Amino acid sequence: NAGVTQNPKFQVLKTGQSMTLQCAQDMNHNSMYWYRQDPGMGLRLIYYSASEGTTDKGEVPNGYNVSRLNKREFSLRLESAAPSQTSVYFCASSVGAAGANVLTFGAGSRLTVL
Amino acid sequence: AQKITQTQPGMFVQEKEAVTLDCTYDTSDQSYGLFWYKQPSSGEMIFLIYQGSYDEQNATEGRYSLNFQKARKSANLVISASQLGDSAMYFCAMREPMKTSYDKVIFGPGTSLSVIP
Repeated sequence: NAGVTQNPKFQVLKTGQSMTLQCAQDMNHNSMYWYRQDPGMGLRLIYYSASEGTTDKGEVPNGYNVSRLNKREFSLRLESAAPSQTSVYFCASSVGAAGANVLTFGAGSRLTVL
Repeated sequence: AQKITQTQPGMFVQEKEAVTLDCTYDTSDQSYGLFWYKQPSSGEMIFLIYQGSYDEQNATEGRYSLNFQKARKSANLVISASQLGDSAMYFCAMREPMKTSYDKVIFGPGTSLSVIP
């Protein structure tokens, strides 16, 4: 019963470095999401994918790219990290059908950009 | 664009008392969904309750109930008989209407609830 797995849990980068946050779910969910959480800002949607092969921008997509590799995996890439991208990143998934569409979240990835 | 507002950055409640956490939302669509999530200090996100915009009855889940007032665009969370374990951040969220971005879910800024013994 892994649910949503994110890696790495912690990462420190220097400005300008690149990295990829990995996310995988084993619940056969259709939709997957990446959020960032900053104090006082709640969770802000970066990108989401309603189904395999599709991705859409959320509220704060600038500086990020995503790949829905298959139904299970949804990765978030920072091509050139900036201090403003220091945050806690959450991956989530949902069935994607109409109705409750409850999100199941990963444990989060804490990223620090120096 | 859709937006969620939570006007109470921090709230205190006495143990065993009831507390209401406010949430207002902005949408021009008739079909949408509203959620509440809890985030304890450990960091995980826990789903609490869901209300569909066409649901006539207010949603309830144990000690949690959602006071849904569609005309006022509010979806307040009521926690009855507060417990020390209820101390956490609480987030209101909304599912984007189906005709635009089917599965988009946005969150409000959150309310920090502290339960006092």
